[in-house]
Amino acid sequence: GAGVSQSPSNKVTEKGKDVELRCDPISGHTALYWYRQSLGQGLEFLIYFQGNSAPDKSGLPSDRFSAERTGGSVSTLTIQRTQQEDSAVYLCASSLGAGSNSPLHFGNGTRLTVT
Amino acid sequence: GQNIDQPTEMTATEGAIVQINCTYQTSGFNGLFWYQQHAGEAPTFLSYNVLDGLEEKGRFSSFLSRSKGYSYLLLKELQMKDSASYLCAVTDSNYQLIWGAGTKLIIKP
Repeated sequence: GAGVSQSPSNKVTEKGKDVELRCDPISGHTALYWYRQSLGQGLEFLIYFQGNSAPDKSGLPSDRFSAERTGGSVSTLTIQRTQQEDSAVYLCASSLGAGSNSPLHFGNGTRLTVT
Repeated sequence: GQNIDQPTEMTATEGAIVQINCTYQTSGFNGLFWYQQHAGEAPTFLSYNVLDGLEEKGRFSSFLSRSKGYSYLLLKELQMKDSASYLCAVTDSNYQLIWGAGTKLIIKP
Protein backbone atom coordinates (compact mmCIF):
# COMPACT_ATOMS: atom_id res chain seq x y z
CA GLY A 1 0.00 0.00 0.00
CA ALA A 2 0.93 3.63 -0.19
CA GLY A 3 1.28 4.14 3.53
CA VAL A 4 1.57 2.36 6.87
CA SER A 5 -1.66 0.60 7.69
CA GLN A 6 -2.78 -0.22 11.23
CA SER A 7 -5.76 -2.18 12.43
CA PRO A 8 -8.06 -1.92 14.20
CA SER A 9 -8.33 1.87 14.33
CA ASN A 10 -10.19 1.61 17.63
CA LYS A 11 -10.33 -1.17 20.20
CA VAL A 12 -12.31 -1.27 23.42
CA THR A 13 -11.57 -4.21 25.67
CA GLU A 14 -12.26 -5.30 29.21
CA LYS A 15 -9.53 -5.34 31.80
CA GLY A 16 -7.78 -8.71 31.82
CA LYS A 17 -8.41 -9.55 28.17
CA ASP A 18 -5.67 -9.97 25.57
CA VAL A 19 -5.49 -7.73 22.49
CA GLU A 20 -3.59 -7.89 19.20
CA LEU A 21 -2.73 -4.82 17.19
CA ARG A 22 -1.57 -5.12 13.60
CA CYS A 23 0.78 -3.02 11.49
CA ASP A 24 1.42 -3.35 7.77
CA PRO A 25 4.46 -1.21 6.88
CA ILE A 26 5.36 0.43 3.59
CA SER A 27 6.68 -2.12 1.12
CA GLY A 28 10.48 -2.20 1.10
CA HIS A 29 10.86 -0.60 4.52
CA THR A 30 13.14 -2.76 6.64
CA ALA A 31 12.74 -0.84 9.89
CA LEU A 32 9.53 -0.98 11.92
CA TYR A 33 8.79 0.77 15.19
CA TRP A 34 6.00 0.62 17.76
CA TYR A 35 5.27 3.63 19.94
CA ARG A 36 2.64 4.42 22.55
CA GLN A 37 1.16 7.87 23.06
CA SER A 38 -1.13 8.90 25.88
CA LEU A 39 -3.37 11.95 25.49
CA GLY A 40 -1.33 15.13 25.34
CA GLN A 41 1.93 13.28 25.87
CA GLY A 42 5.01 12.55 23.76
CA LEU A 43 5.92 9.31 22.01
CA GLU A 44 6.94 6.39 24.21
CA PHE A 45 9.19 3.93 22.38
CA LEU A 46 8.15 0.28 22.72
CA ILE A 47 10.02 -1.93 20.25
CA TYR A 48 12.07 -1.70 17.05
CA PHE A 49 12.64 -4.25 14.28
CA GLN A 50 15.44 -3.89 11.73
CA GLY A 51 15.57 -6.48 8.97
CA ASN A 52 16.50 -9.92 10.30
CA SER A 53 18.30 -8.59 13.38
CA ALA A 54 17.08 -9.31 16.89
CA PRO A 55 14.48 -6.67 17.82
CA ASP A 56 15.23 -3.91 20.33
CA LYS A 57 12.69 -4.63 23.05
CA SER A 58 14.11 -2.16 25.55
CA GLY A 59 10.96 -0.02 25.60
CA LEU A 60 8.41 -2.70 26.40
CA PRO A 61 6.90 -1.68 29.77
CA SER A 62 6.24 -5.19 31.09
CA ASP A 63 6.30 -8.85 30.12
CA ARG A 64 2.61 -8.54 29.21
CA PHE A 65 3.75 -6.81 26.03
CA SER A 66 5.26 -8.68 23.10
CA ALA A 67 5.63 -8.14 19.37
CA GLU A 68 6.46 -10.15 16.30
CA ARG A 69 7.33 -9.30 12.76
CA THR A 70 6.69 -12.08 10.31
CA GLY A 71 8.61 -12.33 7.04
CA GLY A 72 10.12 -8.93 7.57
CA SER A 73 6.79 -7.27 6.85
CA VAL A 74 3.61 -7.31 8.95
CA SER A 75 3.99 -6.85 12.69
CA THR A 76 1.67 -7.71 15.56
CA LEU A 77 1.83 -6.12 19.01
CA THR A 78 0.17 -8.28 21.67
CA ILE A 79 -0.86 -7.06 25.10
CA GLN A 80 -1.86 -9.79 27.53
CA ARG A 81 -4.10 -9.31 30.56
CA THR A 82 -4.74 -5.67 29.68
CA GLN A 83 -4.82 -3.05 32.43
CA GLN A 84 -6.48 0.36 32.43
CA GLU A 85 -3.08 2.06 32.28
CA ASP A 86 -2.54 0.39 28.87
CA SER A 87 -5.17 2.73 27.40
CA ALA A 88 -3.41 4.89 24.80
CA VAL A 89 -2.89 5.30 21.08
CA TYR A 90 -0.46 2.71 19.71
CA LEU A 91 1.44 4.03 16.69
CA CYS A 92 3.42 1.99 14.22
CA ALA A 93 6.03 3.54 11.92
CA SER A 94 8.34 2.23 9.22
CA SER A 95 11.42 3.56 7.45
CA LEU A 96 13.98 2.45 4.90
CA GLY A 97 16.24 1.34 7.74
CA ALA A 98 18.78 2.31 10.34
CA GLY A 99 21.79 4.14 9.02
CA SER A 100 19.85 5.63 6.15
CA ASN A 101 18.38 8.40 8.28
CA SER A 102 15.24 8.12 6.24
CA PRO A 103 12.24 9.65 7.99
CA LEU A 104 9.66 7.55 9.78
CA HIS A 105 6.28 7.12 8.18
CA PHE A 106 3.54 6.63 10.75
CA GLY A 107 0.28 4.78 10.56
CA ASN A 108 -2.90 6.37 11.91
CA GLY A 109 -2.63 4.36 15.10
CA THR A 110 -4.88 2.11 17.14
CA ARG A 111 -6.74 3.80 19.97
CA LEU A 112 -6.95 1.25 22.78
CA THR A 113 -9.41 1.74 25.61
CA VAL A 114 -9.35 -0.70 28.52
CA THR A 115 -12.50 -0.56 30.65
CA GLY B 1 21.36 10.02 29.89
CA GLN B 2 19.92 11.21 26.64
CA ASN B 3 17.63 14.18 26.68
CA ILE B 4 15.76 16.48 24.32
CA ASP B 5 14.16 19.70 25.56
CA GLN B 6 11.42 21.68 23.86
CA PRO B 7 8.97 24.24 25.24
CA THR B 8 5.69 22.61 26.22
CA GLU B 9 3.43 25.17 24.60
CA MET B 10 3.67 28.32 22.49
CA THR B 11 1.09 30.78 21.22
CA ALA B 12 1.39 32.91 18.09
CA THR B 13 -0.81 35.06 15.87
CA GLU B 14 -2.02 34.20 12.39
CA GLY B 15 0.27 35.74 9.77
CA ALA B 16 3.20 36.10 12.18
CA ILE B 17 6.46 34.17 12.57
CA VAL B 18 7.26 31.69 15.35
CA GLN B 19 10.46 29.90 16.31
CA ILE B 20 10.32 26.60 18.19
CA ASN B 21 13.58 25.65 19.88
CA CYS B 22 15.01 22.22 20.59
CA THR B 23 18.13 21.45 22.60
CA TYR B 24 19.59 17.97 22.88
CA GLN B 25 22.14 15.98 24.84
CA THR B 26 22.67 12.60 23.19
CA SER B 27 25.30 9.90 22.83
CA GLY B 28 26.58 11.03 19.46
CA PHE B 29 24.62 12.64 16.68
CA ASN B 30 23.52 11.38 13.28
CA GLY B 31 20.77 13.79 12.38
CA LEU B 32 17.78 15.74 13.68
CA PHE B 33 14.18 15.51 12.54
CA TRP B 34 11.15 17.74 12.97
CA TYR B 35 7.67 16.25 12.77
CA GLN B 36 4.23 17.86 12.87
CA GLN B 37 1.34 16.19 14.67
CA HIS B 38 -2.21 17.50 14.47
CA ALA B 39 -4.51 16.55 17.34
CA GLY B 40 -5.80 13.02 16.91
CA GLU B 41 -3.53 12.29 13.97
CA ALA B 42 -0.18 10.60 13.40
CA PRO B 43 3.07 12.59 13.18
CA THR B 44 4.20 13.60 9.69
CA PHE B 45 7.76 14.39 8.61
CA LEU B 46 8.68 18.06 8.17
CA SER B 47 12.46 18.37 7.94
CA TYR B 48 15.85 16.76 8.48
CA ASN B 49 19.17 18.41 9.39
CA VAL B 50 22.53 16.68 9.68
CA LEU B 51 24.90 19.56 8.84
CA ASP B 52 25.03 22.97 10.50
CA GLY B 53 22.93 25.65 8.93
CA LEU B 54 19.49 26.43 7.69
CA GLU B 55 17.25 24.20 5.57
CA GLU B 56 14.32 26.00 3.98
CA LYS B 57 11.13 24.41 2.72
CA GLY B 58 8.49 26.94 1.78
CA ARG B 59 7.06 28.57 4.91
CA PHE B 60 9.04 26.22 7.17
CA SER B 61 12.78 26.36 7.90
CA SER B 62 14.92 24.31 10.26
CA PHE B 63 18.28 25.29 11.69
CA LEU B 64 20.98 23.18 13.32
CA SER B 65 24.08 23.95 15.38
CA ARG B 66 25.83 20.71 16.31
CA SER B 67 28.41 22.43 18.52
CA LYS B 68 25.61 23.93 20.62
CA GLY B 69 23.32 20.89 20.53
CA TYR B 70 20.59 23.19 19.28
CA SER B 71 17.98 23.33 16.57
CA TYR B 72 14.98 25.48 15.81
CA LEU B 73 11.97 25.23 13.54
CA LEU B 74 10.86 28.53 12.04
CA LEU B 75 7.31 28.89 10.75
CA LYS B 76 6.50 31.98 8.67
CA GLU B 77 3.17 33.47 7.57
CA LEU B 78 1.36 31.39 10.15
CA GLN B 79 -1.96 29.88 9.21
CA MET B 80 -4.64 28.47 11.50
CA LYS B 81 -3.91 25.00 10.13
CA ASP B 82 -0.40 25.24 11.62
CA SER B 83 -1.93 24.70 15.05
CA ALA B 84 -0.39 21.36 16.01
CA SER B 85 2.33 19.77 18.11
CA TYR B 86 5.88 19.91 16.75
CA LEU B 87 8.19 17.07 17.70
CA CYS B 88 11.99 17.20 17.65
CA ALA B 89 13.86 13.87 17.33
CA VAL B 90 17.59 13.11 17.24
CA THR B 91 19.36 10.03 15.88
CA ASP B 92 22.21 9.07 18.20
CA SER B 93 25.49 7.29 17.40
CA ASN B 94 23.67 3.93 17.32
CA TYR B 95 21.03 5.36 14.98
CA GLN B 96 18.46 5.16 17.78
CA LEU B 97 15.81 7.86 17.65
CA ILE B 98 15.42 10.00 20.76
CA TRP B 99 12.18 12.00 20.87
CA GLY B 100 11.32 15.26 22.56
CA ALA B 101 7.94 15.58 24.27
CA GLY B 102 6.74 18.02 21.61
CA THR B 103 5.70 21.67 21.55
CA LYS B 104 2.00 22.46 21.26
CA LEU B 105 1.61 25.49 19.01
CA ILE B 106 -1.61 27.48 19.33
CA ILE B 107 -2.40 29.97 16.56
CA LYS B 108 -4.78 32.81 17.36
CA PRO B 109 -6.58 34.91 14.74
